[in-house]
Amino acid sequence: EDKVVQSPLSLVVHEGDTVTLNCSYEVTNFRSLLWYKQEKKAPTFLFMLTSSGIEKKSGRLSSILDKKELFSILNITATQTGDSAVYLCAGGGTSYGKLTFGQGTILTVHP
Amino acid sequence: NAGVTQTPKFQVLKTGQSMTLQCAQDMNHEYMSWYRQDPGMGLRLIHYSVGAGITDQGEVPNGYNVSRSTTEDFPLRLLSAAPSQTSVYFCASSSVRLASTDTQYFGPGTRLTVL
Repeated sequence: EDKVVQSPLSLVVHEGDTVTLNCSYEVTNFRSLLWYKQEKKAPTFLFMLTSSGIEKKSGRLSSILDKKELFSILNITATQTGDSAVYLCAGGGTSYGKLTFGQGTILTVHP
Repeated sequence: NAGVTQTPKFQVLKTGQSMTLQCAQDMNHEYMSWYRQDPGMGLRLIHYSVGAGITDQGEVPNGYNVSRSTTEDFPLRLLSAAPSQTSVYFCASSSVRLASTDTQYFGPGTRLTVL
């Protein structure tokens, strides 16, 4: 059975801090690792990673995948209160259209 | 494009009642999925479909039925609702024609309470 584990489960920081969210995975016939942001509504897509060691970047957010050690990290620099959300990690494997999600990391950014 | 739409937004049922959660997408996506989200559990896959007429079970399929008669629609049926099915339900879709095939687009969700 596929498994995705995120850590920490929750994190409280102040504006301007840098945070690192972790995601480890065990996915049969691994194909991709995805990060989503969820703010009290539907998850919105952030990144999809398929190749090891290649960083994906969007503004203050970046992510990288290590296929040897089976993990990914999501970095957020210079955090803002608007970054407060649940960050979800998901793995895609054998079947297209089927993702296995982690429990999520609840990030709270205080002013 | 409306993207992925879900109805209703909220629903309260009594134990034993049946209902159908509707999901539709107008992006001509082949893949559609249903997830439930409970506190501290992330998203758990209920059923998914890789095309019209083809469905398969996910991680937590018991108590739910699906069908996919058209590319656009993927309804989720609760045959006899139980309090354990109180949750937020999300429908999602993705396409094999996109370079990022695994990227799923989510509907706004349905909050279901079973008393």
